[in-house]
Amino acid sequence: DAGVTQSPTHLIKTRGQQVTLRCSPKSGHDTVSWYQQALGQGPQFIFQYYEEEERQRGNFPDRFSGHQFPNYSSELNVNALLLGDSALYLCASSFQGYEQYFGPGTRLTVT
Amino acid sequence: QQQVKQSPQSLIVQKGGISIINCAYENTAFDYFPWYQQFPGKGPALLIAIRPDVSEKKEGRFTISFNKSAKQFSLHIMDSQPGDSATYFCAASMSNAGKSTFGDGTTLTVKP
Repeated sequence: DAGVTQSPTHLIKTRGQQVTLRCSPKSGHDTVSWYQQALGQGPQFIFQYYEEEERQRGNFPDRFSGHQFPNYSSELNVNALLLGDSALYLCASSFQGYEQYFGPGTRLTVT
Repeated sequence: QQQVKQSPQSLIVQKGGISIINCAYENTAFDYFPWYQQFPGKGPALLIAIRPDVSEKKEGRFTISFNKSAKQFSLHIMDSQPGDSATYFCAASMSNAGKSTFGDGTTLTVKP
């Protein structure tokens, strides 16, 4: 059984560009949450998707948006990238919101 | 406002010793408290979790102690091994909410 998978592993973008990160949840999971983890800090909640709808949102600007597909996979989009967006982006899946299982993350570097 | 405070920031323990990491929370609506282990370049891995209706939960060498009145919980790692060297995060969430609020992490080093 594959766990949570994320792509790409690493990504380098320039300020002002847009980026899309992808996540496939663990088999049997229907809820996907996205987190941003800056170096040396704990993950910060961005938003959560359930039944293709954004169910919760953390304190992130509208430049951060997402989508969940019928197969429960999800995308995170970030527009107008800033240097401060450089971080490890983590996807976590769960069944109806309880135990979360994290993917390996996508390391985004903005130059 | 930091809702989950974790200490210490770093911890060095000898092999075979006990590692203790503490967390305190503010929001009494939290009712699910997981601990995660993260190795460099990897995502956090769920280690053990507790709900406030019990005061202690043990899984192998890992034990969570929970004090509801003090709004504190801690992770104890017994017989610490060099392979336990990692960053540990406590977190807190509300039922079915999914959203977890994390502490800032504790870097554990177990010396052989």
